[in-house]
Amino acid sequence: GAVVSQHPSRVICKSGTSVKIECRSLDFQATTMFWYRQFPKKSLMLMATSNEGSKATYEQGVEKDKFLINHASLTLSTLTVTSAHPEDSSFYICSAREGTGVSYEQYFGPGTRLTVT
Amino acid sequence: GDSVTQMEGPVTLSEEACLTINCTYTATGYPSLFWYVQYPGEGLQLLLKATKADDKGSNKGFEATYRKETTSFHLEKGSVQVSDSAVYFCALSDGYNQGGKLIFGQGTELSVKP
Repeated sequence: GAVVSQHPSRVICKSGTSVKIECRSLDFQATTMFWYRQFPKKSLMLMATSNEGSKATYEQGVEKDKFLINHASLTLSTLTVTSAHPEDSSFYICSAREGTGVSYEQYFGPGTRLTVT
Repeated sequence: GDSVTQMEGPVTLSEEACLTINCTYTATGYPSLFWYVQYPGEGLQLLLKATKADDKGSNKGFEATYRKETTSFHLEKGSVQVSDSAVYFCALSDGYNQGGKLIFGQGTELSVKP
């Protein structure tokens, strides 16, 4: 089946620094990638939808200047948390969709645990 | 807007017990419905799906039927195992209107004791 990887799996950073998380589709070309945030014991919250070669579409309430998303190729999207603060600590999960049609399945990465101290 | 509501957890069962996790949805279009499973420390895996009314999704002994009349997609398993302990998410995708975005329920934690 389709595999999506994320790197790093865990990261600890100091308040005020920036952190980049990578999401890669390993055996298919991902036209669209999604970034989610998951709080403890809570559901996944969609942050943004990223289409290759174009600007990401952010969900309401998500600061696009704080969470920078780049989808530069059909196999890689990155999420950069800029000037991170402790409240940004969370589990970030990406997913990737192979086709342009909306019936295509999303494949999820294993997630990245971000801790801001 | 579209939404998904799941029964609250945690749910604790003994091995070989029957499982039902309720899920209802609200959608303006004709959504596809999904159950995802998240094992501790891991990302989400698709467990099963149904794309139209009366479809039954099944996998690994789990099944769920898309009930349009009751807007439900309850997850069931006849005999759970300790290895089924995980968090289960019900989700919908109204692809035509939302470009394939998934809307998740809040998740139900299942703990199966030996």
